[in-house]
Order: sequence, then structure tokens, then C-alpha cells
Amino acid sequence: GEDVEQSLFLSVREGDSSVINCTYTDSSSTYLYWYKQEPGAGLQLLTYIFSNMDMKQDQRLTVLLNKKDKHLSLRIADTQTGDSAIYFCAESIDYGGSQGNLIFGKGTKLSVKP
Amino acid sequence: EPEVTQTPSHQVTQMGQEVILRCVPISNHLYFYWYRQILGQKVEFLVSFYNNEISEKSEIFDDQFSVERPDGSNFTLKIRSTKLEDSAMYFCASSEAQLTEAFFGQGTRLTVV
Repeated sequence: GEDVEQSLFLSVREGDSSVINCTYTDSSSTYLYWYKQEPGAGLQLLTYIFSNMDMKQDQRLTVLLNKKDKHLSLRIADTQTGDSAIYFCAESIDYGGSQGNLIFGKGTKLSVKP
Repeated sequence: EPEVTQTPSHQVTQMGQEVILRCVPISNHLYFYWYRQILGQKVEFLVSFYNNEISEKSEIFDDQFSVERPDGSNFTLKIRSTKLEDSAMYFCASSEAQLTEAFFGQGTRLTVV
């Protein structure tokens, strides 16, 4: 079945770049997403990429997609303490016209040290 | 900025009781979803809803669960007879079209005692 895998923890220093990685198994993915969850809060959509794209940049965020290796990454430039949160990778899959639900990874907890 | 809102933010209920979790999706969205996140585990898909009917549901969404859109704005998840293992954060989401970005609410933390 479909699966999305992420490393569980990442620790960086303030001002450094963070790179959060994700691998997925289903090649039918249509959109791939990054969500952010701060402690006690809901899921905030950060950015997404359509599966026929290689890269998307949005201010400090850069998403890279390697469709051949089924690898997705999120780079946060100039990481700030406010970026400390859990980051979820998710994919939506086209089941030939049926409603694509989201498959989430377990989340990567990013800790930013001052 | 439009957002998905959920009420209540926290619900405590006794085992065996019925609960209704409420959501107001973004107004021009047509697709609605419920997800849940058991503490420390993955966010899991429960059900999707379009055109006043369930379009897809997961194995978790058994006969104890139901969804309804009773009026033009609310989208509800009902659990008929809650079990301890239903304790989780329940997220509502909506999207404008199929396979586009889904916006999530802040979640309702359900605690079954």
C-alpha cells in the first residue's frame, strides 16, 4: 500500500538552513504537500508541488521533487526559532478519478537552537 | 483570510456516549474531509464528502461513524458510541476542487474516559 516516510527529528542552529526529507512509495501521486504543526495547533499548509514539477520556491521555502527516486525535500533558509514545529509530508493520489485523500508521513520534529 | 473552523476545541466524553464534532469549511469549497491523529501517531484519513454524499472512506470509518452536512455551512462527524481508542485529535479539512490543496482546521481534541 501507499506509504510516506520521514526522519523523526532534525535539530539546527538559528540562521542555518534546514532540510527535511520525505520518501513516498506510490508513483500515482499527483500533489505532494508540506504541512506544519505547532504545539497544540492544527495543520497549516506550507506549500505543495504538483508531481510534474521538479522544484518550487516560496520565499524561504524550497521544495525539491525527485520523481524517479520518489523523494521530496523541504528546505527552509535562514531557519528561525519560530520555525520549530513538526513538519508533515503528505501525498494525494489519483485513483483514476476518485477522490484522492491525503497520505501523511509521521512528521519530522524540527528543533531550532538559538 | 478564509479558514476552516472547528468546535469544540476540546471534548471530554464518557465511553459509550455519542459525540458530534463540528466544522465550518471554507465557504466556496466543495470537498470536505475528516482526519484523525492519535497521540504520537500519523494523521490518518477517515472520510471524504462531496455533493452530499461520502465519496471515500477508510477502514477506520466503521458503522460507529457518520458524517452529515445538515445545512449550507456545517459539516459534522458523529461517533455513536465512543470507545477509549477513539481518543485523538480530529481534523476537518476542505478543498475547492478534487486533488487540490486541502485546508485544515485547528482540530478537536477528543478524550474518551
